[in-house]
Amino acid sequence: GQNIDQPTEMTATEGAIVQINCTYQTSGFNGLFWYQQHAGEAPTFLSYNVLDGLEEKGRFSSFLSRSKGYSYLLLKELQMKDSASYLCAALDSNYQLIWGAGTKLIIKP
Amino acid sequence: DVKVTQSSRYLVKRTGEKVFLECVQDMDHENMFWYRQDPGLGLRLIYFSYDVKMKEKGDIPEGYSVSREKKERFSLILESASTNQTSMYLCASTGLAVTHEQFFGPGTRLTVL
Repeated sequence: GQNIDQPTEMTATEGAIVQINCTYQTSGFNGLFWYQQHAGEAPTFLSYNVLDGLEEKGRFSSFLSRSKGYSYLLLKELQMKDSASYLCAALDSNYQLIWGAGTKLIIKP
Repeated sequence: DVKVTQSSRYLVKRTGEKVFLECVQDMDHENMFWYRQDPGLGLRLIYFSYDVKMKEKGDIPEGYSVSREKKERFSLILESASTNQTSMYLCASTGLAVTHEQFFGPGTRLTVL
């Protein structure tokens, strides 16, 4: 079956760095998305990776290894406003998105 | 500023009622989606549409139907609401390429009593 695994919850300190991991098993693969979702709000797009490697976008970076079925989202210089859930989603061979349950990130001062 | 809007943020209905959830996007997007989101579970796709009057079943279509009469509007219908349909419902849209990001509406939290 198709599956996305990511940790349920993580805690980090303001100003620090945190890495949120995601492993996926899908029928075919056409890319991986990361979304941010604040409590009670809609998910918003952070990144899309389809090739191996690291893509940096300001304080946020996303990494993909297709051979390992693995991705991570790296958040630097954490701010309190980064407290949110982070959703990993893989696009399968039918271009359907398979979503993980999300990782709730708690930032402490 | 691109926008996806949903008709209600909060809705309370009784078991057996017919429920309509409306979604409108102003980006001229071809693809529209309805998801439900429950604690501990990922977003689950109910139905999607690639064009006007076209609809495709997602992973959990049972108990739901959809309508897309106009490109900008995608409606989700619960024919006879049940308590297990209490959930957060999210509408999303994307352009022609499904590798593009999905834009989400604010969600409708539906409670069925």
